[in-house]
Amino acid sequence: EDQVTQSPEALRLQEGESSSLNCSYTVSGLRGLFWYRQDPGKGPEFLFTLYSAGEEKEKERLKATLTKKESFLHITAPKPEDSATYLCAVRMDNYGQNFVFGPGTRLSVLP
Amino acid sequence: NAGVTQTPKFQVLKTGQSMTLQCAQDMNHEYMSWYRQDPGMGLRLIHYSVGAGITDQGEVPNGYNVSRSTTEDFPLRLLSAAPSQTSVYFCASSPWSSYNEQFFGPGTRLTVL
Repeated sequence: EDQVTQSPEALRLQEGESSSLNCSYTVSGLRGLFWYRQDPGKGPEFLFTLYSAGEEKEKERLKATLTKKESFLHITAPKPEDSATYLCAVRMDNYGQNFVFGPGTRLSVLP
Repeated sequence: NAGVTQTPKFQVLKTGQSMTLQCAQDMNHEYMSWYRQDPGMGLRLIHYSVGAGITDQGEVPNGYNVSRSTTEDFPLRLLSAAPSQTSVYFCASSPWSSYNEQFFGPGTRLTVL
């Protein structure tokens, strides 16, 4: 069964304390892995797309990496405004909108 | 651009009632989708559309209907509401040129009593 898991479920960091979030997937025929940020009471906001193992993408304090079985979202020197739930999703084929989302990691960055 | 808009923001229904959740986008995107988000679970795809007049089922389509008569609008109809349909519903759109990058609306929180 195609599955996406994320760990940890929740993470509390002090401002400036770097860490990583994990997204593991067991899908066949991966056609892309995606990271989103979701603030409370809002819809997800697209961050990154990764297509192949070894690929990396960066945006401000965030860097996403991809291996054959998992992806990491590295957060360097986080600020309180980075507090949000981070979702990852995978796509298994090129037809339709066949995405599978993970449950998310809830990140809190304390000042 | 308003982006993706959804109405209503909140809704309470009684079991057996029907209603339509509205979704509109002003970005001329070809792809539109409906998801539900439940605590502890990932977003799950209900229905999607790859263009006006074309719709298809996602992972959890039972109890929901959709149609797409225009590029801009993609309403989701609940035929006979059940407590299991209590959830937060998100509409998303993406352009054909970068269909993996979805733009989400602000969501509709639905409670079925």
